[in-house]
Amino acid sequence: GAGVSQTPSNKVTEKGKYVELRCDPISGHTALYWYRQSLGQGPEFLIYFQGTGAADDSGLPNDRFFAVRPEGSVSTLKIQRTERGDSAVYLCASSRNAGSPSGANVLTFGAGSRLTVL
Amino acid sequence: RKEVEQDPGPFNVPEGATVAFNCTYSNSASQSFFWYRQDCRKEPKLLMSVYSSGNEDGRFTAQLNRASQYISLLIRDSKLSDSATYLCVVTATGIQKLVFGTGTRLLVSP
Repeated sequence: GAGVSQTPSNKVTEKGKYVELRCDPISGHTALYWYRQSLGQGPEFLIYFQGTGAADDSGLPNDRFFAVRPEGSVSTLKIQRTERGDSAVYLCASSRNAGSPSGANVLTFGAGSRLTVL
Repeated sequence: RKEVEQDPGPFNVPEGATVAFNCTYSNSASQSFFWYRQDCRKEPKLLMSVYSSGNEDGRFTAQLNRASQYISLLIRDSKLSDSATYLCVVTATGIQKLVFGTGTRLLVSP
């Protein structure tokens, strides 16, 4: 597609439930990122994929969070046993490659999935 | 200490004013720097990259001071449409994750 697509745009769930958030990156972009943004804060890094593999998952807050990208395109962020503190906007971004030697990455973000845990 | 720090604002300025934001970063190995713009309830979008020599894009000028580890963004002749949150972003060589500041909110009034 022309841009990064995220579904659902809004998700309301109850504490303790399981949630999946989906990201469809820009066609041809090999790098995919998940960020989480709480109100009044900047995006917080969760995980980065290069192709199918998670190259850096250092931002995942705990083992309730897991993400996959089985075919190197669409990615799913999975949250088990949701807690009220998980409420945030989950942003997905993609970039063309793993970055130049200087480490420069220009990310294109999707519109986000707003998760509310009651 | 946060890796990237910004004054959250808001900065309230009249149309036509010049406004400047600063951002400091803690990782001296940082090599790439960006300013992203985020409108209310929208996703962040790249405004401009920041180069060592400084760079300008229309009314926007970005500067990098490696010695003091800060980045600045100058907006001249502010427009109402410039009202947004400006996010300072830093990444280090060989590390693919971008680290965002909390953002500085700008409100331009008539």
